[in-house]
Amino acid sequence: DAGITQSPRHKVTETGTPVTLRCHQTENHRYMYWYRQDPGHGLRLIHYSYGVKDTDKGEVSDGYSVSRSKTEDFLLTLESATSSQTSVYFCAIRGQGGSYEQYFGPGTRLTVT
Amino acid sequence: DQQVKQNSPSLSVQEGRISILNCDYTNSMFDYFLWYKKYPAEGPTFLISISSIKDKNEDGRFTVFLNKSAKHLSLHIVPSQPGDSAVYFCAASVYSTGNQFYFGTGTSLTVIP
Repeated sequence: DAGITQSPRHKVTETGTPVTLRCHQTENHRYMYWYRQDPGHGLRLIHYSYGVKDTDKGEVSDGYSVSRSKTEDFLLTLESATSSQTSVYFCAIRGQGGSYEQYFGPGTRLTVT
Repeated sequence: DQQVKQNSPSLSVQEGRISILNCDYTNSMFDYFLWYKKYPAEGPTFLISISSIKDKNEDGRFTVFLNKSAKHLSLHIVPSQPGDSAVYFCAASVYSTGNQFYFGTGTSLTVIP
């Protein structure tokens, strides 16, 4: 158990509303990631962070922003949700030192109506 | 453009037999590869990884083979068990940067008792 929690676990929201998803880790890992999983696309990286206030874009970052003001929290914000952002969102952390594998949270299922 | 491809969306295998899951990649810079297993309503969990300096890595019933010239890797599960029924994702990265991981679309394995 890598001590990763995501909140909320499920959310239904309307088009045009802002949404923030939270990822919380208890292991003090430097690297944190946000992915979305969609049928036919697998897991796609949205944004990642390599330290407090250090973030960068992934391959599907349009429409998303992130913030990391504390080591343990990585927030993903949809400024104005669209139906195309209906997805399952996973947060992940990367292991320390030479460890390279990622550990994933349980996911957040977001539906934009 | 999908840099990591899993061309078989699904695979069915009898319990006790070998399961072979395949993955192809297009980016020759990738030098670190990972396999993840995912059950429904859970986050992916790390299974096994391989560096490009090796062509095989084994962990219990799981073996990953890497063919760099063909840009192909495979995951062998022997013997297959019903609990192995899940979606399997392969992922690739450039180890020196290590910030971005590219995932395939997944293969759903069903092990028939």
